[in-house]
Amino acid sequence: GDSVTQMEGPVTLSEEAFLTINCTYTATGYPSLFWYVQYPGEGLQLLLKATKADDKGSNKGFEATYRKETTSFHLEKGSVQVSDSAVYFCALRGSSASKIIFGSGTRLSIRP
Amino acid sequence: SAVISQKPSRDICQRGTSLTIQCQVDSQVTMMFWYRQQPGQSLTLIATANQGSEATYESGFVIDKFPISRPNLTFSTLTVSNMSPEDSSIYLCSTGVADTQYFGPGTRLTVL
Repeated sequence: GDSVTQMEGPVTLSEEAFLTINCTYTATGYPSLFWYVQYPGEGLQLLLKATKADDKGSNKGFEATYRKETTSFHLEKGSVQVSDSAVYFCALRGSSASKIIFGSGTRLSIRP
Repeated sequence: SAVISQKPSRDICQRGTSLTIQCQVDSQVTMMFWYRQQPGQSLTLIATANQGSEATYESGFVIDKFPISRPNLTFSTLTVSNMSPEDSSIYLCSTGVADTQYFGPGTRLTVL
């Protein structure tokens, strides 16, 4: 079945560092891919998405490119801030279903 | 887009009792989903609820433990029955609109 494998955390970085959180997926067909973020004490929010191969999703300085050849959707940000500290979830929705399948989540902590 | 509200936002319950969680969407939607997020874990789909039909449960979840109602296109309830401490989790309602999945703020349940 469909699945998402995500880089394990926690990840701790200094402010202004470059961030990569790896995400790979297994799915039949052409899934849509998502990154969700959960800030401390808050609900789940959609950060960005990509619905077809080579699409790049972007939001709040974060980017992720849908790579079908490597079945990946890595999250990147060029310069992180303390306010980016949160748990990040990679997720997919298969082309033949509407349910979302989540990765295990990566906790990110940014030091001032 | 879709705005989802849930009630209650949190509750503390005694072992053996049941709790019903309500989910309201601000627009009519075909499918609604119930997820569980155990402490420090990712989100796991419990069931999919379509209006006018029985809910479809994922492996490991059964109707007797998590009965679901879907009386109309904007509302659903999830009941956690005969609770035990292992049911302590955040329960989230979700729906999809135009290829984007939206989530409610969650219900934080603690079972003593």
